[in-house]
Amino acid sequence: AQKVTQAQTEISVVEKEDVTLDCVYETRDTTYYLFWYKQPPSGELVFLIRRNSFDEQNEISGRYSWNFQKSTSSFNFTITASQVVDSAVYFCALRWTTDSWGKFQFGAGTQVVVTP
Amino acid sequence: DTAVSQTPKYLVTQMGNDKSIKCEQNLGHDTMYWYKQDSKKFLKIMFSYNNKELIINETVPNRFSPKSPDKAHLNLHINSLELGDSAVYFCASSQGLAANTGELFFGEGSRLTVL
Repeated sequence: AQKVTQAQTEISVVEKEDVTLDCVYETRDTTYYLFWYKQPPSGELVFLIRRNSFDEQNEISGRYSWNFQKSTSSFNFTITASQVVDSAVYFCALRWTTDSWGKFQFGAGTQVVVTP
Repeated sequence: DTAVSQTPKYLVTQMGNDKSIKCEQNLGHDTMYWYKQDSKKFLKIMFSYNNKELIINETVPNRFSPKSPDKAHLNLHINSLELGDSAVYFCASSQGLAANTGELFFGEGSRLTVL
C-alpha cells in the first residue's frame, strides 16, 4: 500500500526559530516521486519541491531545505529562521509509477504557526 | 494569466440542490484531477482524466459526475447535495501519467457549503 504519514499535526514556533516537518512514506515501488506543497491561509496549494527516488541528494532553496533518506523512508523539510509568512499547512505527497496512472497520495498535513 | 482556474470560488446552497464547478487549465497539460479537501485539511483524490478519458475514479458517490469536454477542461457536477459534501474542491492538472512525474498544479479551490 502507498502511504504518507505526517505525524505532526501542528508546530508552533517563534519567528527566527528553525522548524522541521517530518514525512514518512510507504511504497513497494522502486521508482517514485516525493513532493512538498504549501497551503497558506489564503487556501491555494503551492508546489515547493519534487524529488525522485533515485536522487538522495539533499536540497536547499533559500531558507528551505529537504532531507531525503531512503533508508528510513523519510523526506523531511526544514524551514530555517522561520518568518510569519511561513505560517501555513504543509503537505508531503507521494507519486508512484506502477499501475496507478500517476496517482498522488497526500499526507494529512502539518500546520505551522509562526508568531512574531 | 491564471494557470488553473476554477469557478465559482464560493458556493453556498441548500441540501438537495444540484451544482457544478468548472475548471480550466491553460498549461497545455493532458491530465486533470478533482481533489476534495475536508474540514481537517485532508486531500483526497476523486477523479482524474487523461486526454478526456476517465482514468481514476475513486470511491465517490455517483451523485458526483465529472465531465471533460476537452483536455483543458474538467467540470464537476454534483446532484442532490448533502451536508457531508461541504468541502473545498480543488482542480489540478499535470503533464502525463505515471511515465511522467510532473507535479500537480492546483486551482485556487472552490469552497462548497451545503446548508
